[in-house]
Amino acid sequence: SQKIEQNSEALNIQEGKTATLTCNYTNYSPAYLQWYRQDPGRGPVFLLLIRENEKEKRKERLKVTFDTTLKQSLFHITASQPADSATYLCALDPNDYKLSFGAGTTVTVRA
Amino acid sequence: GAVVSQHPSRVICKSGTSVKIECRSLDFQATTMFWYRQFPKKSLMLMATSNEGSKATYEQGVEKDKFLINHASLTLSTLTVTSAHPEDSSFYICSARDSGQWGNQPQHFGDGTRLSIL
Repeated sequence: SQKIEQNSEALNIQEGKTATLTCNYTNYSPAYLQWYRQDPGRGPVFLLLIRENEKEKRKERLKVTFDTTLKQSLFHITASQPADSATYLCALDPNDYKLSFGAGTTVTVRA
Repeated sequence: GAVVSQHPSRVICKSGTSVKIECRSLDFQATTMFWYRQFPKKSLMLMATSNEGSKATYEQGVEKDKFLINHASLTLSTLTVTSAHPEDSSFYICSARDSGQWGNQPQHFGDGTRLSIL
């Protein structure tokens, strides 16, 4: 069966450190992988999109890698700040625009 | 940036009531919108794809007579939960794709509707 797993439900880190989140999938062949941020009681907000033929994408303090052999994406937040505290969702798109989401990892950055 | 407005943000009503949720793209046109359901600490589950001017396509296990979808214009989709019961209580979220953009684009999400059926 198809499965998307995000490494842990919760991640607590010290301000200034790098947070690394993992998204593993099985029985999917995504053409694209996307990362979203969701705050409590709000809808997801798009952060980054990476294509299957791309290895790495960066946006400001965010970095995403995509390894289709390992069936894994890593999401990094460098120089983390308390304002980065949120739930981060990975989503797979097989190229029909219908997204399949992981359950998310809740990141808490301590000042 | 692209904004999706979802209304109402919260509904509390009695069992048996039908509830309509609106999803509007404010500054772009969307021929396709999506409706999701999310339980606490769980992932978003796609319920249906709303297509402007045609019938919605529903995911397996989603009752089309229970969750009525109408996409009458390029900027508005509605989800009606008919004869709602306590098990329908959930967080419902819509998203939209910008039809004016080519290639794969991210989805823009509304802020969700918290539905509580007593």
